[in-house]
Amino acid sequence: AQSVTQLGSHVSVSEGALVLLRCNYSSSVPPYLFWYVQYPNQGLQLLLKYTSAATLVKGINGFEAEFKKSETSFHLTKPSAHMSDAAEYFCAVSDPSNAGGTSYGKLTFGQGTILTVHP
Amino acid sequence: EAGVAQSPRYKIIEKRQSVAFWCNPISGHATLYWYQQILGQGPKLLIQFQNNGVVDDSQLPKDRFSAERLKGVDSTLKIQPAKLEDSAVYLCASSFVENTEAFFGQGTRLTVV
Repeated sequence: AQSVTQLGSHVSVSEGALVLLRCNYSSSVPPYLFWYVQYPNQGLQLLLKYTSAATLVKGINGFEAEFKKSETSFHLTKPSAHMSDAAEYFCAVSDPSNAGGTSYGKLTFGQGTILTVHP
Repeated sequence: EAGVAQSPRYKIIEKRQSVAFWCNPISGHATLYWYQQILGQGPKLLIQFQNNGVVDDSQLPKDRFSAERLKGVDSTLKIQPAKLEDSAVYLCASSFVENTEAFFGQGTRLTVV
């Protein structure tokens, strides 16, 4: 069974500082991995995804994540935090598709990390 | 391009009442998902449709929850009767096919009192 663990339910950084949000996964099949962002009272927006191509994945808004199979990790980073990055972030792993292959929408999510950015 | 539309945005009901949520996916999207997001947790998949057929409903509490997508377009999720623990945000997502990006709606926030 798939599972995702996000270390730290709350992360606080200063504006301009490095953002590091941690995600570890467990998967019974080669995983596809995703990071989503959720702003208050909004749905989930895809930041980036790993689908077994390059291990360093670049996403929107300056975020990137590196897939490390040996560590079963997919940590999210951004070199310089901006006030607008304040939101909740979810790491997710794909579940196997019932039809075979991999589903991009049938996901197991972590519990989320709330990012606070201080001026 | 219009996104995934959900209504209502907010709903407050008493326990043991029934409630229904509506989702209109992005035009042309064959795959539709319903997720439940309890406060402080990540979303949990309830049911997946492919066109008008159910692909996976293994995590749907079928004694009280039901969902349909009769014409393969919009979908409704129903809870009857509601319990306090059903208080959550119900998210709908859709994708063109299963192995393409899923887009999420804004969700319906349900409060059961």
